[in-house]
Order: sequence, then structure tokens, then C-alpha cells
Amino acid sequence: EVQLLESGGGLVQPGGSLRLSCVASGFTFSSFAMSWVRRAPGKGLEWVSAISGGGGSTYYADSVKGRFTISRDNSKNTLYLQMNSLRAEDTAVYYCAKPSFTNNWFQFDYWGQGALVTVSS
Amino acid sequence: QLVLTQSPSASASLGASVKLTCTLSSGHSSYAVAWHQQQPEKGPRYLMKLNSDGSHSKGDGIPDRFSGSTSGAERYLTISSLQSEDEADYYCQTWGAGITVFGGGTKLTVL
Repeated sequence: EVQLLESGGGLVQPGGSLRLSCVASGFTFSSFAMSWVRRAPGKGLEWVSAISGGGGSTYYADSVKGRFTISRDNSKNTLYLQMNSLRAEDTAVYYCAKPSFTNNWFQFDYWGQGALVTVSS
Repeated sequence: QLVLTQSPSASASLGASVKLTCTLSSGHSSYAVAWHQQQPEKGPRYLMKLNSDGSHSKGDGIPDRFSGSTSGAERYLTISSLQSEDEADYYCQTWGAGITVFGGGTKLTVL
């Protein structure tokens, strides 16, 4: 059974940093690209970032480019999102998402339960 | 620019059917989309992938009440025999090279 379990959310002041983790199980983690997707209060889903199975290629949404860094540790089956220079508009529930196939980064078939990040003074 | 458009809200009665629409932006009518359901306070759940020819493949455990269809740039999700637990937000999603986008979501109310 595929499981994705996020952690690391919390309350942080504007300009602060936070690191999210997503522990994966039930599939060969290193074979799949992985993504982070967020949902801000009262808004819809927004893709944030993606990383290849080996970790060598990454993509970012323009809204987070230069501030967020995605990474992974395949020995620990764990995906990370390092968030720096946080802004109020980064307040959201952050989900990790797994694609259906190894050759399609974005056709997501499993999602985590989410980690809440609140940016406020 | 790759954009998906969804109506913000829809409603239908318990036991009835509802058809949700997702429209691909001009020039992208051949793209496949995925449909996801998000119930309150839960993570999203993958429902199905819907191809431009109308063929679709569902996620694990998705009941037959959920089906998909296509017409041109429109991608539809039909839910029949509506149940109270179908009250949720529904998102369509598509993807290209190095990017994926979601529609704004449709909030479905079951009356």
C-alpha cells in the first residue's frame, strides 16, 4: 500500500525558514519523480516543485523560485522541501504527490495527508 | 499558456447525477487531464486520467459511479447516484514539459 506522510509544518514568522519532509512507502521511491503541491486557505491546488527520481533535475513554480529548494534522500525514502524567506502568501497545507508512472512526472495517483504551514507574525 | 477552467460551484440532489466540466485553453485540446477529489480536511484523492479520445483509467478503488468523457477541449467528470460523501472539491489537472497546472476547482454540494 502506497503511503506518503508529511511532517515539519508549523507557525513561522515572515522571512523565516521551515523544512518539510515526506516519508514514502509501498513503492520503489527512487524510481519516481515526486512533487510538492499546496493549497492556501480559500484557494485551489497549486503545484510548487518537482524533483526527478535520482534527484538531479528539479522544477519550481515561479511563485517560489529562488526561495524554496526541493531535495530527496532515496536511502531514507524521504522527500524534502526547504522553504526560506517565507511570506504570508506561502501559508497553506503542503502535500507531497506521487505520479502513476516513472516516465510521467505529473500524473499524480497518490497524495499525502498534508502539512500545515502558517506564516504570520 | 496552459490553463484549465472550471466552474467554481455545482450542486445536485442526493441520488441524482452531476456533470462537472474542465476546459483546456486554446491550443491544448489534445491534452489529457486527471481528476482529483478533495473532501474537507483531507488530502486529495486521484479519481481518473481522462484522455482526449474519451478513454479513461481510474484510480484504485474508485467506484463505477465516477466516469469521464470528452468533447473537444472539454473534459467532463460525471458522478451518478450522488452520495453525501461526494460533497467535496473537484480539481482537474494537466501537464506539459516541466510543469503541471490545476483548474481552480469546483465545489460540489449534495442537496
